[in-house]
Amino acid sequence: DAGVTQSPTHLIKTRGQQVTLRCSPKSGHDTVSWYQQALGQGPQFIFQYYEEEERQRGNFPDRFSGHQFPNYSSELNVNALLLGDSALYLCASSSWGDRYSNQPQHFGDGTRLSIL
Amino acid sequence: KQEVTQIPAALSVPEGENLVLNCSFTDSAIYNLQWFRQDPGKGLTSLLLIQSSQREQTSGRLNASLDKSSGRSTLYIAASQPGDSATYLCASSSFGNEKLTFGTGTRLTIIP
Repeated sequence: DAGVTQSPTHLIKTRGQQVTLRCSPKSGHDTVSWYQQALGQGPQFIFQYYEEEERQRGNFPDRFSGHQFPNYSSELNVNALLLGDSALYLCASSSWGDRYSNQPQHFGDGTRLSIL
Repeated sequence: KQEVTQIPAALSVPEGENLVLNCSFTDSAIYNLQWFRQDPGKGLTSLLLIQSSQREQTSGRLNASLDKSSGRSTLYIAASQPGDSATYLCASSSFGNEKLTFGTGTRLTIIP
């Protein structure tokens, strides 16, 4: 049973460029959340997708956008990259129907994004 | 706005000792409190989830407690092993399985 998979594992970009990160949820899950984890910090919530719509959003600028596909996979897009966007980007999946049943979210191993 | 704090930021203990990691939160209206483990360069592994109506949860050598009135949770690790070395993060959920608010973590090193 495949867990949450993220690609690529590592990515190096320069300031001003754009990047797309990808996430496939755990089998049976239909909800995807994205988090940004700067070095030495805890993850910060970016947004959550269900039924191809953004359901919740954290305190991140519009440069951060996302998409969810009919197969529940998701993309995170970041435009006009800044040095401060360097971080580990984590994807978590869950089941929307279980959101009140105290089931933990499942996390992928993340994409390490470095901005030069 | 929920704020989650973990102290200390780093902890080193000899193998075999019992230890306690601390987590505090400012808003007691939480739905659940979760503890995660993160190995270097890796994602998060869920260890324990405590529902707001519960006081504690146990899994093997791990025991997590929750005191909503004081805004505190603790993770107790018994008979520590070198394999327990990792960063431990706590996170609160305010309503359902929505966004998690994380602390900054405690980096634990078990000395053989």
